[in-house]
Amino acid sequence: NAGVMQNPRHLVRRRGQEARLRCSPMKGHSHVYWYRQLPEEGLKFMVYLQKENIIDESGMPKERFSAEFPKEGPSILRIQQVVRGDSAAYFCASSPLDSATNEKLFFGSGTQLSVL
Amino acid sequence: GESVGLHLPTLSVQEGDNSIINCAYSNSASDYFIWYKQESGKGPQFIIDIRSNMDKRQGQRVTVLLNKTVKHLSLQIAATQPGDSAVYFCAENRNQGGKLIFGQGTELSVKP
Repeated sequence: NAGVMQNPRHLVRRRGQEARLRCSPMKGHSHVYWYRQLPEEGLKFMVYLQKENIIDESGMPKERFSAEFPKEGPSILRIQQVVRGDSAAYFCASSPLDSATNEKLFFGSGTQLSVL
Repeated sequence: GESVGLHLPTLSVQEGDNSIINCAYSNSASDYFIWYKQESGKGPQFIIDIRSNMDKRQGQRVTVLLNKTVKHLSLQIAATQPGDSAVYFCAENRNQGGKLIFGQGTELSVKP
């Protein structure tokens, strides 16, 4: 049973370019969460998605950032017109279908985004 | 803003000693807490969790204690080993779906 898969592992972009980060949840999981981590800081919640729905995007910046989790395929975190302050590690996590009770999240290895 | 925080940013222990990592939270509505371990260049790895109807939970070499009165959470690692060196995060669920709120983290360094 493969874990949460994220790609690419490292992504380098120049200012103004677009960054696309992908996340495939664990098999059987239909809830996906994106977190951002700056150096020597904790993980900051960005967005929580279920298939084809955004459940909670309270941690997403108002501009340039968007996320989706289509019916087929991985979840995508998209950052348009990247700036140097977007440089961070972006982690995806997933949890099972039944989230009526609180469940631990399973994390991927992250995508390290570097903006030049 | 975030309300889960840690008392010490770094902790250094001798191999074989016990380690205690502390965490404070401020939201009394939180009813589920998790400790994660993060090694350099990797994603957070689940260690142990506890629900608010419990005061203590034990795993293999790890124990989590929850004091709801003072909103304090601790992780105890018995017989600390070099492989335990990592950053440890506590996280809370505030009954907002599956969203977890993370603390800043404590870096544990184990001296051989």
